[in-house]
Amino acid sequence: GEDVEQSLFLSVREGDSSVINCTYTDSSSTYLYWYKQEPGAGLQLLTYIFSNMDMKQDQRLTVLLNKKDKHLSLRIADTQTGDSAIYFCAPRGSSNTGKLIFGQGTTLQVKP
Amino acid sequence: NAGVMQNPRHLVRRRGQEARLRCSPMKGHSHVYWYRQLPEEGLKFMVYLQKENIIDESGMPKERFSAEFPKEGPSILRIQQVVRGDSAAYFCASSRTGGDDTEAFFGQGTRLTVV
Repeated sequence: GEDVEQSLFLSVREGDSSVINCTYTDSSSTYLYWYKQEPGAGLQLLTYIFSNMDMKQDQRLTVLLNKKDKHLSLRIADTQTGDSAIYFCAPRGSSNTGKLIFGQGTTLQVKP
Repeated sequence: NAGVMQNPRHLVRRRGQEARLRCSPMKGHSHVYWYRQLPEEGLKFMVYLQKENIIDESGMPKERFSAEFPKEGPSILRIQQVVRGDSAAYFCASSRTGGDDTEAFFGQGTRLTVV
């Protein structure tokens, strides 16, 4: 079945860049999403990339996609303490039912 | 336009009781997805419903769990005879269509605790 892998934890200093990595197995995924989850809250869609793109930039967020290696990354520039959260990579499944396949999530800790 | 509304936010049940979780999708959305998040884990897909139809229930446990999305009213995820292992956060998401390019909006979740 489809699988998504992420590193579990990342710690950075405020003002630095953060890079969160994700690998996935379903090569037919057409849309790949990044969600943010703050403690006790639901998921907030941050950004997404279509599979025919290599890069997408959205203010402080940059998504890079290497479709050949099935590797996705999210870069947060000038990381702030408010960015501390769990970040989930979620490719859209290939079954065309629209369901998302989530990784375990990467906990980003931003130190002042 | 209110977002996806889930209630209750927190639910405590004793082992053997029934849990009913409700999800009202965003206005204009007719596609609903339920996900379960176990402690320290990511979200796992459970079921995908359109109005009055179950489209994909490949992630639903075979017993005790059921879901519906009636023509009128919210989608309901029902867990019968709950066990401690059912303790988790249950998230509902809705979208306008079921296609690849449609954005899914998530509710705040229902945190179920089985004691």
